[in-house]
Amino acid sequence: EVQLVQSGAEVKKPGESLRISCKGSGYSFTSYWISWVRQMPGKGLEWMGRIDPSDSYTNYSPSFQGHVTISADKSISTAYLQWSSLKASDTAMYYCARHGTAMVPGYWGQGTLVTVSS
Amino acid sequence: QSVLTQPPSVSAAPGQKVTISCSGSSSNIGNNYVSWYQQLPGTAPKLLIYDNNKRPSGIPDRFSGSKSGTSATLGITGLQTGDEADYYCGTWDSSLSAPYVFGGGTKLTVL
Repeated sequence: EVQLVQSGAEVKKPGESLRISCKGSGYSFTSYWISWVRQMPGKGLEWMGRIDPSDSYTNYSPSFQGHVTISADKSISTAYLQWSSLKASDTAMYYCARHGTAMVPGYWGQGTLVTVSS
Repeated sequence: QSVLTQPPSVSAAPGQKVTISCSGSSSNIGNNYVSWYQQLPGTAPKLLIYDNNKRPSGIPDRFSGSKSGTSATLGITGLQTGDEADYYCGTWDSSLSAPYVFGGGTKLTVL
């Protein structure tokens, strides 16, 4: 069974750094891309970017380029989303999603709630 | 402002049929497959339809998808109260704006 298990909720202050994780299991981790998707409170889905875990190639939505970094450690089947300096506007639920044979986000993690507040 | 345009809300009675539209352009829907996602309250999105009209294993045939030109449509028949959710379309975009894009989402209310 394909599973994506994300790290737990985080509460941070503006300016702090953060890395959240997404661990894949039940499939070959390097065979499928992983995307990260943001959902701000009461709002819709926003695609942030994706990574190919086989070679760590990434591409980002222009809205998020330079603000976040997506990475992966294939030795532990885990993808990451990180910020070097959080802002209050980063408060949101973040989902990782594995692409399938149709090359679209087919399997989703449970989400990680990030709250940034002073 | 989302690249793909969906109606903010739709509603219908139990047992009825509803359609949700998704409008884009030649750089996204016009030249790429469309997917649909269901997000029940408080849960992660789930893939309902991919490649315009294919259903993943386990998705009932009450859900269907179609595409024509730069628009796509999700259809749901035999509405159930459990179908109350937000629905999003998604597709790749070959412009420089964003490789993958979602619609703004449609809230389905089953009256």
